[in-house]
Amino acid sequence: AQKITQTQPGMFVQEKEAVTLDCTYDTSDPSYGLFWYKQPSSGEMIFLIYQGSYDQQNATEGRYSLNFQKARKSANLVISASQLGDSAMYFCAMRAYENTGTASKLTFGTGTRLQVTL
Amino acid sequence: DGGITQSPKYLFRKEGQNVTLSCEQNLNHDAMYWYRQDPGQGLRLIYYSQIVNDFQKGDIAEGYSVSREKKESFPLTVTSAQKNPTAFYLCASSITRYNEQFFGPGTRLTVL
Repeated sequence: AQKITQTQPGMFVQEKEAVTLDCTYDTSDPSYGLFWYKQPSSGEMIFLIYQGSYDQQNATEGRYSLNFQKARKSANLVISASQLGDSAMYFCAMRAYENTGTASKLTFGTGTRLQVTL
Repeated sequence: DGGITQSPKYLFRKEGQNVTLSCEQNLNHDAMYWYRQDPGQGLRLIYYSQIVNDFQKGDIAEGYSVSREKKESFPLTVTSAQKNPTAFYLCASSITRYNEQFFGPGTRLTVL
């Protein structure tokens, strides 16, 4: 079974500063993918970034980067130069690939609420 | 514009009634999913479909039913057997089951 843990229920960051949102995971599957989604107050989930378990380099997408430490089973999201529009809930999720029965399933953490202040 | 639409945005239902939530996508994605989100929680998978006329139960399928008669459409029926149906329901799709999922705007269901 897969499990995602997000230990920070809420975080504050000042505008233009960088912030790290923590995510640890647990799986016995050797092949898996890690995802980060943003959920603004409107409710829709916005895909941010993806990291495959065999990827050699950390994923980056604009101001988002994923600090992937495989041995520690962590996949922290780093947001650089925070903006007011970054205020939202952030969810870490994982998919395992070896077991075809679970390949479709994304397992989500409980999320971190980020508030960007002036 | 390509995307996923869900309707209605807000839905109210009396206890004992079945209700159907709509999900349509024009992204030509093969796979579609339904998730439920409760306050302060992550998303939990209700049902998913990898291809037309095929679907599988997720982690919390009891009290729900789905159909996948067309590639673009994956409606979810919340039946009277679902004990605590009040929640936020999100539909998603992906090119295949191995790709990132894209989500619709959600439907907030309240049982009165």
